[in-house]
Amino acid sequence: QVQLVQSGSELKKPGASVKVSCKASGYTFTSYAMNWVRQAPGQGLEWMGWINTNTGNPTYAQGFTGRFVFSLDTSVSTAYLQISSLKAEDTAVYYCAREVIAVAGFGDYYYYMDVWGKGTTVTVSS
Amino acid sequence: EIVLTQSPGTLSLSPGERATLSCRASQSVSSSYLAWYQQKPGQAPRLLIYGASSRATGIPDRFSGSGSGTDFTLTISRLEPEDFAVYYCQQYGSSPTFGQGTKVEIK
Repeated sequence: QVQLVQSGSELKKPGASVKVSCKASGYTFTSYAMNWVRQAPGQGLEWMGWINTNTGNPTYAQGFTGRFVFSLDTSVSTAYLQISSLKAEDTAVYYCAREVIAVAGFGDYYYYMDVWGKGTTVTVSS
Repeated sequence: EIVLTQSPGTLSLSPGERATLSCRASQSVSSSYLAWYQQKPGQAPRLLIYGASSRATGIPDRFSGSGSGTDFTLTISRLEPEDFAVYYCQQYGSSPTFGQGTKVEIK
């Protein structure tokens, strides 16, 4: 079945880096873009951006430029999120989510995220 | 950036009751770009509704979505015990955003 399997929890010190992986299975990896979503403790969902799995071209939301990098290894159907110079406020659960673009009608398309990873908890603490 | 405001913040209802959740956008959103997700504690979000009113695969028909322009609604016709959760709307414009969520709790 279609699933996204994320890497395990991470405990990092401020200033360190972390790389979260998201391995896709059950579908053609390059047929769907991959999104990243952050959820700080007790907070809502925050869209971080997405990566085109065909070209590897990333798009970052406001507030997620500079220290955040999306990348791919299509040979193993895996997307990555790397965060550098970690701060305490980066403590959160990070989700990957498959993006669907489907025909809704003439010239119209549906956009949504249909499959989500279980999330990776990143804790930044000294 | 389009801001989505969900109301109420918390909805206290009993099983069997009807839940009506609102999502208001700061500017018009194409219905094709509006989705609803359910999240239970410790779990990833789950897609419920896309295109404002189309149920995702496997979603029971007690869940329905409606609306257009700037006002969208998620309705749960009769709450089941497993429906108590947090619900988020999301718009997929040039820069996707989520609402802040509505918690549906047991009264």
